[in-house]
Amino acid sequence: DAGITQSPRHKVTETGTPVTLRCHQTENHRYMYWYRQDPGHGLRLIHYSYGVKDTDKGEVSDGYSVSRSKTEDFLLTLESATSSQTSVYFCAISDSTRDQPQHFGDGTRLSIL
Amino acid sequence: AQTVTQSQPEMSVQEAETVTLSCTYDTSESDYYLFWYKQPPSRQMILVIRQEAYKQQNATENRFSVNFQKAAKSFSLKISDSQLGDAAMYFCAYRSGNDMRFGAGTRLTVKP
Repeated sequence: DAGITQSPRHKVTETGTPVTLRCHQTENHRYMYWYRQDPGHGLRLIHYSYGVKDTDKGEVSDGYSVSRSKTEDFLLTLESATSSQTSVYFCAISDSTRDQPQHFGDGTRLSIL
Repeated sequence: AQTVTQSQPEMSVQEAETVTLSCTYDTSESDYYLFWYKQPPSRQMILVIRQEAYKQQNATENRFSVNFQKAAKSFSLKISDSQLGDAAMYFCAYRSGNDMRFGAGTRLTVKP
């Protein structure tokens, strides 16, 4: 299995608080991604990174920011969490944007009350 | 925008039988890849099979095979000799560069 660690695995917090989720990889892959998974929607891309300090928006980026200061770490931040951001968040990595698939972490379940 | 549609929210199959999960997609790209992922209750996303759009030959991985119809933009997954461990959510996914889109998923139940 690809070495991807997401932390925390579960978090409950209140509306309006800042939240940061961490994705750590040991594979030295160039590309890293953050998705959210909601019933009826599958996985939707929030942000991705194609290198240190290089990031771009995905399909559902509003309300989220990301940072990548090291190859192995990709942080997802909710500056002021809202109940609509309650979801399961997945990090993924890949070595290329062509024939290699993305490998996923085990997910973080985030509940915003 | 690229979209991926899985029209079967739920499917059921008898153990040892064969089942086919449907997936259609919409794209104007010519260079892309298609995947099926399995998500058991553990929440892990496990790659089942992948297909390069430029290849006409359908991909096969043991009991799993696809029927890729590029002109129809269809990418179905066939599971042969279904096993209890195949029970999971299955997601069809499309990828072109960093744009990756997933279908809403099909929940597969395997009956003993």
